[in-house]
This record gives sequence, structure tokens and C-alpha cells, in this order.
Amino acid sequence: SQQGEEDPQALSIQEGENATMNCSYKTSINNLQWYRQNSGRGLVHLILIRSNEREKHSGRLRVTLDTSKKSSSLLITASRAADTASYFCATDNTGGFKTIFGAGTRLFVKA
Amino acid sequence: DGGITQSPKYLFRKEGQNVTLSCEQNLNHDAMYWYRQDPGQGLRLIYYSQIVNDFQKGDIAEGYSVSREKKESFPLTVTSAQKNPTAFYLCASSPLVIAGGSEQFFGPGTRLTVL
Repeated sequence: SQQGEEDPQALSIQEGENATMNCSYKTSINNLQWYRQNSGRGLVHLILIRSNEREKHSGRLRVTLDTSKKSSSLLITASRAADTASYFCATDNTGGFKTIFGAGTRLFVKA
Repeated sequence: DGGITQSPKYLFRKEGQNVTLSCEQNLNHDAMYWYRQDPGQGLRLIYYSQIVNDFQKGDIAEGYSVSREKKESFPLTVTSAQKNPTAFYLCASSPLVIAGGSEQFFGPGTRLTVL
């Protein structure tokens, strides 16, 4: 069962532009995480935001969480070609042992 | 990928054969997980383990089996009962957190192809 659904499914932008990806989920959560996956590789954790937080920053990443709308967004500022990857949101509503991943947004940054 | 390894990277299996995928971590994490990823899809949980000698079924456990005899190791066996085993398999580990969740650390994955 997929809890999180990312939007858009795919995104193509020019280097230097900002990229915004959205995630919607259905049930109450303890936290929401964003991961990145380069083609054919494992996932890399980017950021975790807890249900009582509204915004977090990490370098060029900004994540927001709106629990009233059951949605989150990931903003990558000043994108680079190396940011080309798939980005997944993952939600946890059971204490951390059954994190549920969405289908991902495929981001392509053109140099 | 540092700290958690999976082998082999590519695996080919004939129909009707069981095959075991290896996952080892040196992060001293209590929890370990196995996920399956199909093309263009997210990850689906197969099995997870919070402690040695204990594991729980995930959402798609049918046709798979696991063991957790050591903290560092969580091998996954894909049995002949799994009807469509061709996929990318990812192992992950995390510290055991009582509440609030924790980031998971992923291995590089094993791509299994059934011939």
C-alpha cells in the first residue's frame, strides 16, 4: 500500500532553476522523510521532518509539511546537473518500522 | 551506501530455483529491512527485523523468507513460490527508535532476473 504520492511524476528543468516536488499522504503520520535515488543505486536519506514541524532546511533543500492538508513539498534551489535523480517521500505512522514509500518524482536537470 | 553492503549486484536465476541475497551492515543498527522495487515504482516492504532472532512480515512477504541470526546480517531468500521475482531488491538498516522514526541507510541493491 502506498501512503505517499509524489507530484509531478517527472520534472525537467534547466541548471540553476529551482525544482519543487510535492507529496500527499492519506493517514496521520509521525514523520515524513525525503530520499534520493540515482539510477540503479540505493536510496540516500535527505531530510526528516516530524509531524510537529512545519519547515526544515538542509543546504539547498527546503522541506515543508502541512499536516492539515496532509502534504509536503521538497524544494531544491539553484539546481545542478548532479541533482538528476528520483526523489521519494516516505511516511511513518507506526513508530518507524513500516515506513511507506511513494512512487517518486524523476528529476532531470539539463546542463 | 557506506556501512551496508549487498551481494551480489546482479543475480540470474532459473525458474523453480531458490536464491539467497546477502545483506550485511557494520553500523551497529538494531533494525533491518528488505524492500522490493519494480521499474518506475516506489519501494514495497518485504520483511523487517527489529532485533536478532525476530522478524516481521511486510506488505509483500509471500514467496520470501528471511533470518536474523546475527545483528549484522539479514539475508533474504527468494523462493520458487514467488511468482514474479524479477526486480531490484534493496536492504536497509536503521537505529531502533521507540517513537518518531529514524532515517534508513540503504545498501546498493541487488538486481535479480529470472530467466
